Amino acid sequence: NAGVTQTPKFQVLKTGQSMTLQCAQDMNHNSMYWYRQDPGMGLRLIYYSASEGTTDKGEVPNGYNVSRLNKREFSLRLESAAPSQTSVYFCASRLKGTGGRELFFGEGSRLTVL
Amino acid sequence: SQQGEEDPQALSIQEGENATMNCSYKTSINNLQWYRQNSGRGLVHLILIRSNEREKHSGRLRVTLDTSKKSSSLLITASRAADTASYFCATDQGGATNKLIFGTGTLLAVQP
Repeated sequence: NAGVTQTPKFQVLKTGQSMTLQCAQDMNHNSMYWYRQDPGMGLRLIYYSASEGTTDKGEVPNGYNVSRLNKREFSLRLESAAPSQTSVYFCASRLKGTGGRELFFGEGSRLTVL
Repeated sequence: SQQGEEDPQALSIQEGENATMNCSYKTSINNLQWYRQNSGRGLVHLILIRSNEREKHSGRLRVTLDTSKKSSSLLITASRAADTASYFCATDQGGATNKLIFGTGTLLAVQP
């Protein structure tokens, strides 16, 4: 069982370039999330999709766009990369339900913007 | 600003000792979760405590929740070198929003 798969694992971009981070889950989860992790900042929520067909802004959405392509896939796009977007990006997913459910994480995508 | 703030930021203890990490948050929650992250890896879920619960145990983990103080603590008993990792709390408001907001984390180092 693959769980949550992120691609690419590593990427170096120049300022102004665009790219898309891909995320796919095979656990039939409703909700999917994109976080970024910076030293000393913990994880900050960029965008999330509570269910297929919906997306919402998180804590730090500026400079990003997302697409919930289908129930399995949730992509994160940087239209014009900036050095401030150098970070480790994590995709996560979970079932939606009352009482709360745990998140399952991918292994991360390490992005450097020069 | 982030929902959860944790302290201490870093903690170093000897094997066999207990480790306590604290988390404070700002708004009402449906549940609070703790996660562990080994260096360079994704986060792994440890335990979930609901807003109507005060204490929960799982193996060597004990979590408490005080909704009146908007705080939670994670206790790891009889720590091992393999417990060395970063630990994060995450608050879940539940309902339609369905989003989890993470704290800044505690880096735990357990010396053999």
